[in-house]
Amino acid sequence: GAGVSQSPSNKVTEKGKDVELRCDPISGHTALYWYRQSLGQGLEFLIYFQGNSAPDKSGLPSDRFSAERTGGSVSTLTIQRTQQEDSAVYLCASSQDSGLSSYEQYFGPGTRLTVT
Amino acid sequence: GENVEQHPSTLSVQEGDSAVIKCTYSDSASNYFPWYKQELGKRPQLIIDIRSNVGEKKDQRIAVTLNKTAKHFSLHITETQPEDSAVYFCAASIEGGGSYIPTFGRGTSLIVHP
Repeated sequence: GAGVSQSPSNKVTEKGKDVELRCDPISGHTALYWYRQSLGQGLEFLIYFQGNSAPDKSGLPSDRFSAERTGGSVSTLTIQRTQQEDSAVYLCASSQDSGLSSYEQYFGPGTRLTVT
Repeated sequence: GENVEQHPSTLSVQEGDSAVIKCTYSDSASNYFPWYKQELGKRPQLIIDIRSNVGEKKDQRIAVTLNKTAKHFSLHITETQPEDSAVYFCAASIEGGGSYIPTFGRGTSLIVHP
């Protein structure tokens, strides 16, 4: 079946512009995560959506970052007034909420964001 | 909150050797420990996981061990092959708590020389 997809795959933007990154999780997965991965670095947690619960935004680095998940499916991560330090690969992951392997995270291919 | 330390950050081995990556965690309530492999330019993928009710789990050439008392767990890869070259991430988490957010280690870059 279809895996997690993200768009765009690459995004180059000028400093100060806003960007929107999209994630389409696996159908039926109730949990959705956003991570940031800078070059050669680990996975930095940003935000977590679970069903209809309020999202856990504890990883968002500043108020320039926000995310939505509409209808329990597609999610968009918005970065306002982008800065050069926002340059990174943004990974989305989803997982289902039942079954033995309910916590396995399926990652998307990522969006490589470059702020010039 | 949970803190996961992962060592080494880089590991270089010859093909056929074994490789061991170690992680420690701080929250004794953590009970689920997945390992993800990320090949260059690709997405992370789960390769093996272990729950706190067992001490060891094997899947062909990879194995994971868990010591709950010491709060550490390790990934063992035997008979390494060049295709094992990748970044490996460990994670610690709490299953069944209603909110599942794993804490990842910083990753280990494994290089297998042919």
